[in-house]
Amino acid sequence: AQKVTQAQTEISVVEKEDVTLDCVYETRDTTYYLFWYKQPPSGELVFLIRRNSFDEQNEISGRYSWNFQKSTSSFNFTITASQVVDSAVYFCALSGRAGTALIFGKGTTLSVSS
Amino acid sequence: ETGVTQSPTHLIKTRGQQVTLRCSSQSGHNTVSWYQQALGQGPQFIFQYYREEENGRGNFPPRFSGLQFPNYSSELNVNALELDDSALYLCASTPDRAGGTEAFFGQGTRLTVV
Repeated sequence: AQKVTQAQTEISVVEKEDVTLDCVYETRDTTYYLFWYKQPPSGELVFLIRRNSFDEQNEISGRYSWNFQKSTSSFNFTITASQVVDSAVYFCALSGRAGTALIFGKGTTLSVSS
Repeated sequence: ETGVTQSPTHLIKTRGQQVTLRCSSQSGHNTVSWYQQALGQGPQFIFQYYREEENGRGNFPPRFSGLQFPNYSSELNVNALELDDSALYLCASTPDRAGGTEAFFGQGTRLTVV
């Protein structure tokens, strides 16, 4: 069975702090894909990143960075110098080789105060 | 904006009634998936349609059914509504059904069952 665990339910930081959102996954597939999505109060899920199981290279995009470690089945997301606009619910998700159905974690609510 | 539109945005129904939710996928996308997101939870996969055929289903009872039309727009129908069906229903479209394809989400329909 596939499963995604986001152990942090809520995180509160002050602007300019760095924050890391944890994601641990379980799957028996050898080919799989990991995603992060952001959900602002409007409800729409906004795609942030996709990683396939064969690509363990870390990625940086502006203030965002992702650390994928197959050895620990983790795909963590770091926001550097957080801003108020980063406040949202962040979801980690997993999909297998066949089909595009996403298995989501329960999400982490990030609150950034000024 | 993702180009995926859902209607209506909000809906209130009485237990036992039936409801139809609609989704217009992004241009060129032939695959549509539906998700249910209960309050404080991650989205859960209901089913997926590829070229008008159901292409995968999550752990939802048969009273959840769907359709996809030749223009790839889609409907989600729920019969015999229960209080626990109250949730945000999200539609996502992808350009194909291959694994790892980025999904584009609509803003969702907030269904309240009273």
